[in-house]
Amino acid sequence: DTGVSQNPRHKITKRGQNVTFRCDPISEHNRLYWYRQTLGQGPEFLTYFQNEAQLEKSRLLSDRFSAERPKGSFSTLEIQRTEQGDSAMYLCASTLSHFGPGTRLLVL
Amino acid sequence: TQLLEQSPQFLSIQEGENLTVYCNSSSVFSSLQWYRQEPGEGPVLLVTVVTGGEVKKLKRLTFQFGDARKDSSLHITAAQPGDTGLYLCAGAHTSGAGSYQLTFGKGTKLSVIP
Repeated sequence: DTGVSQNPRHKITKRGQNVTFRCDPISEHNRLYWYRQTLGQGPEFLTYFQNEAQLEKSRLLSDRFSAERPKGSFSTLEIQRTEQGDSAMYLCASTLSHFGPGTRLLVL
Repeated sequence: TQLLEQSPQFLSIQEGENLTVYCNSSSVFSSLQWYRQEPGEGPVLLVTVVTGGEVKKLKRLTFQFGDARKDSSLHITAAQPGDTGLYLCAGAHTSGAGSYQLTFGKGTKLSVIP
């Protein structure tokens, strides 16, 4: 069990730029979740994959956000035309008990 | 919308003291999880409680799930500086797509002073 890994761990970008984050879940887990956590808040659900199928999306996931999980392995979360309000920790999880270390995004 | 209220939001205590953190909701959850999160890291699962009235112990930590499965508490005995961190409770519910979604509280930030 190598755990869930996320890259990069930190990202600083300018408003309007696109960013992409990657999550590598535990290999035998077919479920993958993305959460977003802003300062002083608990994580909030963004989207859920079962294998390669994206089965659920939160209202928080605006049309600037897109997530993929090709071949049901790693997943990517892309944010287009970033805004300052997108600054947050983006967490990936495979099952309820395995969260990754997160990618902290700062939009200047 | 299912909400989880955690209290207190902040807690600063001396080493050796006892403390209790509360997690309350108006909704029933299929299970309730407690996590601890260090700055800049993801949440780490401490315990899952499933049955109403259930009590689980993890060394100096005692977790209780309310009879109605709407509330929970975390009690720490003889707190140590290593207990410092953000404690999050999260209720699990199944969605139409079959996923277990978590609704998190805002967390309790605990500081244990040596």
